[in-house]
Amino acid sequence: GDSVTQMEGPVTLSEEAFLTINCTYTATGYPSLFWYVQYPGEGLQLLLKATKADDKGSNKGFEATYRKETTSFHLEKGSVQVSDSAVYFCALSSLNAGNNRKLIWGLGTSLAVNP
Amino acid sequence: GAVVSQHPSRVICKSGTSVKIECRSLDFQATTMFWYRQFPKQSLMLMATSNEGSKATYEQGVEKDKFLINHASLTLSTLTVTSAHPEDSSFYICSARDQERGTDTQYFGPGTRLTVL
Repeated sequence: GDSVTQMEGPVTLSEEAFLTINCTYTATGYPSLFWYVQYPGEGLQLLLKATKADDKGSNKGFEATYRKETTSFHLEKGSVQVSDSAVYFCALSSLNAGNNRKLIWGLGTSLAVNP
Repeated sequence: GAVVSQHPSRVICKSGTSVKIECRSLDFQATTMFWYRQFPKQSLMLMATSNEGSKATYEQGVEKDKFLINHASLTLSTLTVTSAHPEDSSFYICSARDQERGTDTQYFGPGTRLTVL
């Protein structure tokens, strides 16, 4: 079945460092790909998404490019801030038994940014 | 836009009682809502997909008689944990898909922390 593999955390960086969180997937068909973020004490928020190959999603300085040839959707940011400390989830959309779209999730990567 | 609320945010109950959790889409209509459990090591587990006006689709291994889902309107889905036991203690999260935008994007509620004593 469809799956998402995400790099394990925790990741600890200093402010202004470069961030990469790796995400690879296996899927039949052409799923949409997502990054969600969960800040401490808050619910999940959509960070960015890409719906087809070579699309680049971007938001708040974060970027991820849908790479079909490497089945990857790595999250990057050029200069992280303390406020980026959160848990980041990679996900893809897939069809369940009822033919509904559902999200398949990675395990999440915790990011801590130190001042 | 695309705000999803959950109520209650936190509930503590005795073993054997039932608990109802509400999920509402506040500014959009959601024909499809999803219920998840989030485990301590961060992984999200999809429990079921809730479709307005029809039966929910449960994921493999999820007991439909224990986790009752009702999606009676385009803005409300409820999850009832029946005869709760300590192993049901978890963080339950709902999400809703904005059908009008015609995308795969799900919008999440803030979650409900259930503790069964």
